[in-house]
Amino acid sequence: QQQVKQSPQSLIVQKGGISIINCAYENTAFDYFPWYQQFPGKGPALLIAIRPDVSEKKEGRFTISFNKSAKQFSLHIMDSQPGDSATYFCAASRGVNDYKLSFGAGTTVTVRA
Amino acid sequence: DAGVIQSPRHEVTEMGQEVTLRCKPISGHDYLFWYRQTMMRGLELLIYFNNNVPIDDSGMPEDRFSAKMPNASFSTLKIQPSEPRDSAVYFCASSLGRVGSGNTIYFGEGSWLTVV
Repeated sequence: QQQVKQSPQSLIVQKGGISIINCAYENTAFDYFPWYQQFPGKGPALLIAIRPDVSEKKEGRFTISFNKSAKQFSLHIMDSQPGDSATYFCAASRGVNDYKLSFGAGTTVTVRA
Repeated sequence: DAGVIQSPRHEVTEMGQEVTLRCKPISGHDYLFWYRQTMMRGLELLIYFNNNVPIDDSGMPEDRFSAKMPNASFSTLKIQPSEPRDSAVYFCASSLGRVGSGNTIYFGEGSWLTVV
């Protein structure tokens, strides 16, 4: 049973378009929400992370939007590039003492040139 | 830093054989994790260690799986006997501190296991 539900499973976007991936959670103890990016044949790598005390965090073309009341957060990839083609995982952890992450199922993003 | 190093990268074995996957975490990292990735189940945490001590092995699927961390720079995940349903990518990962405090979990490139 996944504690973080992620959608869509996959998406295709044209170069220059916006990719949007959504995640939802139920456990209100979650308070750290990273996103990981995984290229084929590689391990996941941290992309960007947010805590619920802010509603948005931006790093380059990647933005996390966070809605604490709805218990939802999303990743937006602006001006998507073919090099962004990868699988993206949202994740969550519970409190500063938590050792581990609960991962979403992943979204495979394909950016068409 | 070389990152998390896993071996072998690829292994094909016959059902019933013993499989040993190896991992060298990033130097100085106190936490080590073993994950399994499949299309059906995504990324599953199998077990994690803190300072070489297993903290939570509730994700280990059954007694055929075992993991050890004899020292701070080496860990193994063993499957004995292996079954076709064990075919997956197994990732080792490490972190400097607790992820809830904002520490990053760094993943290796994975060991691709096929059991035929």
